[in-house]
This record gives sequence, C-alpha cells and structure tokens, in this order.
Amino acid sequence: NAGVTQTPKFQVLKTGQSMTLQCAQDMNHEYMSWYRQDPGMGLRLIHYSVGAGITDQGEVPNGYNVSRSTTEDFPLRLLSAAPSQTSVYFCASSYHGTRGIQSDEQFFGPGTRLTVL
Amino acid sequence: GDSVTQMEGPVTLSEEAFLTINCTYTATGYPSLFWYVQYPGEGLQLLLKATKADDKGSNKGFEATYRKETTSFHLEKGSVQVSDSAVYFCALRGGNKLTFGTGTQLKVEL
Repeated sequence: NAGVTQTPKFQVLKTGQSMTLQCAQDMNHEYMSWYRQDPGMGLRLIHYSVGAGITDQGEVPNGYNVSRSTTEDFPLRLLSAAPSQTSVYFCASSYHGTRGIQSDEQFFGPGTRLTVL
Repeated sequence: GDSVTQMEGPVTLSEEAFLTINCTYTATGYPSLFWYVQYPGEGLQLLLKATKADDKGSNKGFEATYRKETTSFHLEKGSVQVSDSAVYFCALRGGNKLTFGTGTQLKVEL
C-alpha cells in the first residue's frame, strides 16, 4: 500500500494563479480531509469528506474548493492564490466508524509546501 | 468550541533526560485525546491515544493519561533519545473533526 500520497511536494505560485493539490489514498478510507499547517497555529482543518459525493467545510475553508468524485481522490483547489495561502498542506484519511464518526487514527500524507508570491 | 493548549517550545533536553509536554483541552462532551508526532520533512503519525477518562495511552516509551478532572493529557517519557527529536501535537476529536494544539518542538542532544 502506498498509503496517502500528495503531489506536488513543492509549488510556487504568483498571486491570482490557480492550482490543484492532489491527494490520493489506496486504503479504501471513507473519510478524507485537508489541513494547513502554519507556524504557531498548529494544523487547521480546511475541508473534509465522509464519502464520495459528500464534502463539508472545516475551520478555514475560504479560498479553497474540494470535490470527492471517487473514494480514492480528494483534490484541493485554489481558485485565485493569495500570499495568505502560503503554507504546508496535509491530506489525511481514515476509516469511518460504525457510529458514523471517523476512526481514531488518521493517516497523513507527506505534505505540499506552497509559496504564493 | 473545542480547543487544545500545549506548552510552547522548543524544548531542548539531553539524551536520557525525562520528558514532559503539557497539554490541556476544552471540549463539550467526552472527546478522544491523541498525541501525534511529526518528524522532519514528514507528515504526522499517531503516537498514542486515549478514548475515556483515566485511560493511559502508551507507545514507544511515551505515555499520557486522560485526566478529566484537570482536562489534561500530558505526554511523558522516562528517557529520551536523539531519535525522539520531532514536533509533538496534542489533539482531540469531537465528532468528525480533529482539533490540534500548536505543536511542541523537542530537540534531544547528546
């Protein structure tokens, strides 16, 4: 199993450009999520999905779009990049338990370091 | 809303020293509590967890006890190694969302 994979590892954008951060998992996990990691802020949830066709907003969703057309993939789109979106982005996945709540362990990808100039 | 407060870092220790990283939380209901570790250049990995009051999570020599009366989940290790150098995150889960603390960087020197 490759686990959770993310591409690209590094990206530099100019203000106003758009791009998609890719995330894929091969563990058949129902739950997938995107976080951003900023110094002194910990990880903050951007968007999450509990299954194909279902997405919801997290703590900091503005400026980001997501979709979940398959169980495996959960891309994150920046429509018009801003310097405030300079961050490290992590994708994570986990099982969705029988009570409809994500299981205890989330599996994280290696991250994408994004710089917006 | 839910929140997690961790001690600020960096924490610098000599090898074989005792480690404590403090974590307190605010949450409604009965959250599950976690410690995640992030090694340089990598994503986060689950280190240990506790799902109810008085539970003790343990892994790789690290321990943490879920203290409901003090809303705390402090991470401890009796003898740290250079290989333990990493950033440690305390987190809680309420429903479908994980809430993380800001992370504590640990540096262990020979």
